Amino acid sequence: QKEVEQDPGPLSVPEGAIVSLNCTYSNSAFQYFMWYRQYSRKGPELLMYTYSSGNKEDGRFTAQVDKSSKYISLFIRDSQPSDSATYLCAMSTNFGNEKLTFGTGTRLTIIP
Amino acid sequence: EPEVTQTPSHQVTQMGQEVILRCVPISNHLYFYWYRQILGQKVEFLVSFYNNEISEKSEIFDDQFSVERPDGSNFTLKIRSTKLEDSAMYFCASRLNTEAFFGQGTRLTVV
Repeated sequence: QKEVEQDPGPLSVPEGAIVSLNCTYSNSAFQYFMWYRQYSRKGPELLMYTYSSGNKEDGRFTAQVDKSSKYISLFIRDSQPSDSATYLCAMSTNFGNEKLTFGTGTRLTIIP
Repeated sequence: EPEVTQTPSHQVTQMGQEVILRCVPISNHLYFYWYRQILGQKVEFLVSFYNNEISEKSEIFDDQFSVERPDGSNFTLKIRSTKLEDSAMYFCASRLNTEAFFGQGTRLTVV
């Protein structure tokens, strides 16, 4: 079983729709969860960071973590064409000097 | 806004040659990383660096790879003898707390 699994998509939705992106993981030691957005041939850009279980909201973005199910989600409300990108989940076990383990990324296209 | 900068943006090298990829992390950050992403694949951890030494390295980071922070601002990744399979995007990242910030990457093409 892969340490972090993410549906690679591609996922296409109409503008204005709610988008749900998900990752599952197998390592119960993961405590820090991040979502990155990556445009083609660019570096990952941090969108959201959450610690342990719960929800976090930032504008149109909501990150959810369910540690009991080992499942994390990113919701995008009122999706815009500029949201079209690859979304990567990433996680780590420790605060501070700890590597990130990434999912494969989901390619999202918002259709105007 | 502070950012991680990487140079060059694209490097083409012949197999067997040495390459040095350069990064300037965000100035007050303490932890530094190199990741790579082979085209179409996931971002993979290579090495982490803290307090002027390697903290952790992956299986990919073999004896052909080395890192250095020569002057307190630059952070470099050296590949001594490049192979075709080293072709990838190489990302530098730095962090102060838990949030890692990535550079735009160097695309390395080994021919």
